Amino acid sequence: ETGVTQTPRHLVMGMTNKKSLKCEQHLGHNAMYWYKQSAKKPLELMFVYNFKEQTENNSVPSRFSPECPNSSHLFLHLHTLQPEDSALYLCASSQGEGTGGEKLFFGSGTQLSVL
Amino acid sequence: GQNIDQPTEMTATEGAIVQINCTYQTSGFNGLFWYQQHAGEAPTFLSYNVLDGLEEKGRFSSFLSRSKGYSYLLLKELQMKDSASYLCAVKDSNYQLIWGAGTKLIIKP
Repeated sequence: ETGVTQTPRHLVMGMTNKKSLKCEQHLGHNAMYWYKQSAKKPLELMFVYNFKEQTENNSVPSRFSPECPNSSHLFLHLHTLQPEDSALYLCASSQGEGTGGEKLFFGSGTQLSVL
Repeated sequence: GQNIDQPTEMTATEGAIVQINCTYQTSGFNGLFWYQQHAGEAPTFLSYNVLDGLEEKGRFSSFLSRSKGYSYLLLKELQMKDSASYLCAVKDSNYQLIWGAGTKLIIKP
Protein backbone atom coordinates (compact mmCIF):
# COMPACT_ATOMS: atom_id res chain seq x y z
CA GLU A 1 0.00 0.00 0.00
CA THR A 2 1.29 3.43 -0.86
CA GLY A 3 0.39 7.01 -0.01
CA VAL A 4 -1.41 8.39 3.01
CA THR A 5 -4.26 6.39 4.53
CA GLN A 6 -6.81 7.77 6.97
CA THR A 7 -9.39 5.89 9.00
CA PRO A 8 -12.25 6.08 9.51
CA ARG A 9 -13.58 7.83 6.38
CA HIS A 10 -16.72 8.94 8.22
CA LEU A 11 -17.42 9.44 11.92
CA VAL A 12 -20.51 10.55 13.77
CA MET A 13 -20.11 11.23 17.47
CA GLY A 14 -21.94 12.80 20.33
CA MET A 15 -20.47 15.64 22.33
CA THR A 16 -19.60 13.34 25.24
CA ASN A 17 -17.89 10.65 23.18
CA LYS A 18 -14.18 9.95 22.86
CA LYS A 19 -12.86 8.82 19.49
CA SER A 20 -9.57 8.75 17.60
CA LEU A 21 -8.63 9.43 14.01
CA LYS A 22 -5.75 7.48 12.52
CA CYS A 23 -3.33 8.37 9.76
CA GLU A 24 -0.58 6.23 8.26
CA GLN A 25 1.90 7.18 5.57
CA HIS A 26 3.92 4.73 3.50
CA LEU A 27 6.11 7.32 1.78
CA GLY A 28 9.07 7.44 4.15
CA HIS A 29 8.35 11.09 4.98
CA ASN A 30 9.57 12.85 8.09
CA ALA A 31 6.83 15.44 8.63
CA MET A 32 3.13 14.83 9.27
CA TYR A 33 0.26 17.29 9.62
CA TRP A 34 -3.34 17.55 10.74
CA TYR A 35 -5.57 20.02 8.88
CA LYS A 36 -9.22 20.98 9.37
CA GLN A 37 -11.26 21.69 6.23
CA SER A 38 -14.64 23.37 6.61
CA ALA A 39 -16.93 24.15 3.69
CA LYS A 40 -15.88 27.23 1.72
CA LYS A 41 -13.08 28.04 4.17
CA PRO A 42 -9.30 27.79 3.78
CA LEU A 43 -7.51 24.77 5.16
CA GLU A 44 -6.62 25.33 8.82
CA LEU A 45 -3.36 23.87 10.04
CA MET A 46 -3.82 22.23 13.43
CA PHE A 47 -0.65 20.34 14.29
CA VAL A 48 2.73 19.54 12.74
CA TYR A 49 5.14 16.79 13.67
CA ASN A 50 8.68 16.62 12.33
CA PHE A 51 10.71 13.51 13.15
CA LYS A 52 8.01 12.61 15.74
CA GLU A 53 8.40 15.92 17.57
CA GLN A 54 5.52 18.39 17.62
CA THR A 55 6.68 21.61 16.03
CA GLU A 56 3.39 23.42 15.56
CA ASN A 57 0.19 23.79 17.56
CA ASN A 58 -1.97 26.48 16.05
CA SER A 59 -3.95 27.42 19.17
CA VAL A 60 -6.06 24.32 18.84
CA PRO A 61 -8.53 23.65 21.69
CA SER A 62 -7.41 20.98 24.15
CA ARG A 63 -10.36 18.77 23.17
CA PHE A 64 -8.12 17.83 20.20
CA SER A 65 -5.06 15.86 21.26
CA PRO A 66 -2.48 14.64 18.73
CA GLU A 67 -0.16 11.69 19.10
CA CYS A 68 2.76 10.68 16.87
CA PRO A 69 4.29 7.38 18.04
CA ASN A 70 6.61 7.14 15.02
CA SER A 71 7.23 8.97 11.77
CA SER A 72 4.70 6.79 9.89
CA HIS A 73 1.70 7.11 12.20
CA LEU A 74 -0.31 10.04 13.45
CA PHE A 75 -3.42 10.07 15.62
CA LEU A 76 -5.91 12.75 16.57
CA HIS A 77 -7.75 11.98 19.80
CA LEU A 78 -11.11 13.68 20.18
CA HIS A 79 -13.14 14.25 23.34
CA THR A 80 -16.08 16.45 24.34
CA LEU A 81 -16.27 18.00 20.90
CA GLN A 82 -18.68 20.75 19.89
CA PRO A 83 -21.00 20.82 16.87
CA GLU A 84 -18.79 23.51 15.28
CA ASP A 85 -15.98 20.93 15.17
CA SER A 86 -17.87 19.09 12.42
CA ALA A 87 -15.58 19.20 9.37
CA LEU A 88 -13.28 17.17 7.15
CA TYR A 89 -10.04 16.35 8.97
CA LEU A 90 -7.13 15.84 6.62
CA CYS A 91 -3.80 14.24 7.37
CA ALA A 92 -0.79 15.07 5.22
CA SER A 93 2.89 14.23 5.04
CA SER A 94 5.96 15.73 3.39
CA GLN A 95 9.61 14.79 3.02
CA GLY A 96 10.68 17.60 5.33
CA GLU A 97 8.96 20.47 7.14
CA GLY A 98 9.47 22.63 4.16
CA THR A 99 11.68 25.55 3.63
CA GLY A 100 11.35 24.88 -0.05
CA GLY A 101 8.92 23.42 -2.51
CA GLU A 102 8.18 20.25 -0.58
CA LYS A 103 4.75 19.19 -1.64
CA LEU A 104 2.19 17.78 0.72
CA PHE A 105 0.67 14.36 0.24
CA PHE A 106 -2.82 14.22 1.70
CA GLY A 107 -5.05 11.43 2.87
CA SER A 108 -8.71 11.36 1.81
CA GLY A 109 -9.78 12.66 5.18
CA THR A 110 -12.24 11.78 7.92
CA GLN A 111 -15.62 13.48 7.58
CA LEU A 112 -16.60 14.19 11.18
CA SER A 113 -20.11 15.05 12.35
CA VAL A 114 -20.64 16.07 15.98
CA LEU A 115 -24.22 15.82 17.16
CA GLY B 1 -3.24 40.06 8.12
CA GLN B 2 -2.41 37.48 5.49
CA ASN B 3 -4.89 36.73 2.76
CA ILE B 4 -5.34 34.61 -0.32
CA ASP B 5 -8.20 35.46 -2.70
CA GLN B 6 -9.59 33.19 -5.39
CA PRO B 7 -13.05 32.98 -6.95
CA THR B 8 -15.49 30.73 -5.13
CA GLU B 9 -16.86 29.01 -8.20
CA MET B 10 -16.34 28.97 -11.97
CA THR B 11 -18.10 27.19 -14.81
CA ALA B 12 -16.55 26.20 -18.13
CA THR B 13 -17.34 24.02 -21.12
CA GLU B 14 -15.70 20.73 -22.01
CA GLY B 15 -12.89 21.28 -24.51
CA ALA B 16 -12.49 24.95 -23.62
CA ILE B 17 -9.81 26.85 -21.64
CA VAL B 18 -10.27 28.27 -18.15
CA GLN B 19 -8.05 30.51 -16.02
CA ILE B 20 -8.34 30.43 -12.23
CA ASN B 21 -6.83 33.48 -10.56
CA CYS B 22 -5.24 33.76 -7.15
CA THR B 23 -4.08 36.99 -5.50
CA TYR B 24 -2.19 37.05 -2.24
CA GLN B 25 -1.10 39.46 0.48
CA THR B 26 1.37 37.72 2.75
CA SER B 27 4.27 38.61 5.00
CA GLY B 28 7.00 37.49 2.65
CA PHE B 29 6.94 34.93 -0.12
CA ASN B 30 8.64 31.56 -0.43
CA GLY B 31 6.64 29.92 -3.19
CA LEU B 32 3.09 29.34 -4.40
CA PHE B 33 1.33 25.99 -4.77
CA TRP B 34 -1.74 24.78 -6.61
CA TYR B 35 -3.60 21.66 -5.49
CA GLN B 36 -6.56 19.86 -7.03
CA GLN B 37 -9.25 18.29 -4.84
CA HIS B 38 -12.05 16.15 -6.24
CA ALA B 39 -15.14 15.93 -4.08
CA GLY B 40 -14.61 13.48 -1.24
CA GLU B 41 -10.98 12.91 -2.13
CA ALA B 42 -7.52 14.01 -1.04
CA PRO B 43 -6.03 17.24 -2.38
CA THR B 44 -3.25 16.42 -4.85
CA PHE B 45 -0.29 18.58 -5.85
CA LEU B 46 -0.46 20.28 -9.23
CA SER B 47 2.29 22.91 -9.37
CA TYR B 48 4.85 25.00 -7.51
CA ASN B 49 6.08 28.45 -8.59
CA VAL B 50 8.80 30.40 -6.82
CA LEU B 51 10.10 32.53 -9.72
CA ASP B 52 8.11 34.78 -12.04
CA GLY B 53 6.83 33.26 -15.23
CA LEU B 54 4.87 30.40 -16.65
CA GLU B 55 5.36 26.72 -15.78
CA GLU B 56 3.71 24.30 -18.18
CA LYS B 57 2.77 20.69 -17.39
CA GLY B 58 0.71 19.12 -20.11
CA ARG B 59 -2.79 20.61 -20.17
CA PHE B 60 -2.12 22.59 -16.98
CA SER B 61 0.04 25.72 -16.65
CA SER B 62 0.71 27.97 -13.67
CA PHE B 63 1.84 31.59 -13.81
CA LEU B 64 3.36 33.77 -11.11
CA SER B 65 4.00 37.51 -10.79
CA ARG B 66 5.59 38.26 -7.41
CA SER B 67 5.50 42.03 -7.92
CA LYS B 68 1.73 41.88 -8.42
CA GLY B 69 1.05 39.22 -5.80
CA TYR B 70 -0.75 37.24 -8.46
CA SER B 71 -0.91 33.75 -9.89
CA TYR B 72 -3.18 31.88 -12.21
CA LEU B 73 -3.79 28.26 -13.10
CA LEU B 74 -4.61 27.68 -16.76
CA LEU B 75 -6.42 24.52 -17.77
CA LYS B 76 -6.63 23.72 -21.49
CA GLU B 77 -8.75 21.21 -23.42
CA LEU B 78 -11.02 20.81 -20.43
CA GLN B 79 -12.31 17.35 -19.61
CA MET B 80 -15.20 16.36 -17.38
CA LYS B 81 -12.71 14.87 -14.91
CA ASP B 82 -11.28 18.37 -14.35
CA SER B 83 -14.40 19.20 -12.32
CA ALA B 84 -12.88 19.72 -8.89
CA SER B 85 -11.83 22.37 -6.40
CA TYR B 86 -8.51 24.11 -7.01
CA LEU B 87 -6.63 25.34 -3.95
CA CYS B 88 -4.01 28.10 -4.03
CA ALA B 89 -1.48 28.28 -1.18
CA VAL B 90 1.49 30.57 -0.46
CA LYS B 91 4.49 30.00 1.78
CA ASP B 92 5.17 33.13 3.81
CA SER B 93 8.44 34.42 5.26
CA ASN B 94 8.20 31.86 8.10
CA TYR B 95 7.60 29.05 5.59
CA GLN B 96 4.03 28.71 6.83
CA LEU B 97 1.49 27.72 4.18
CA ILE B 98 -1.36 30.21 3.81
CA TRP B 99 -4.33 28.70 1.98
CA GLY B 100 -7.09 30.16 -0.14
CA ALA B 101 -10.65 28.87 0.28
CA GLY B 102 -10.49 27.12 -3.09
CA THR B 103 -12.24 27.55 -6.43
CA LYS B 104 -14.89 25.01 -7.37
CA LEU B 105 -14.68 24.40 -11.11
CA ILE B 106 -17.75 22.97 -12.83
CA ILE B 107 -17.30 21.56 -16.33
CA LYS B 108 -20.39 21.31 -18.55
CA PRO B 109 -20.67 19.15 -21.66
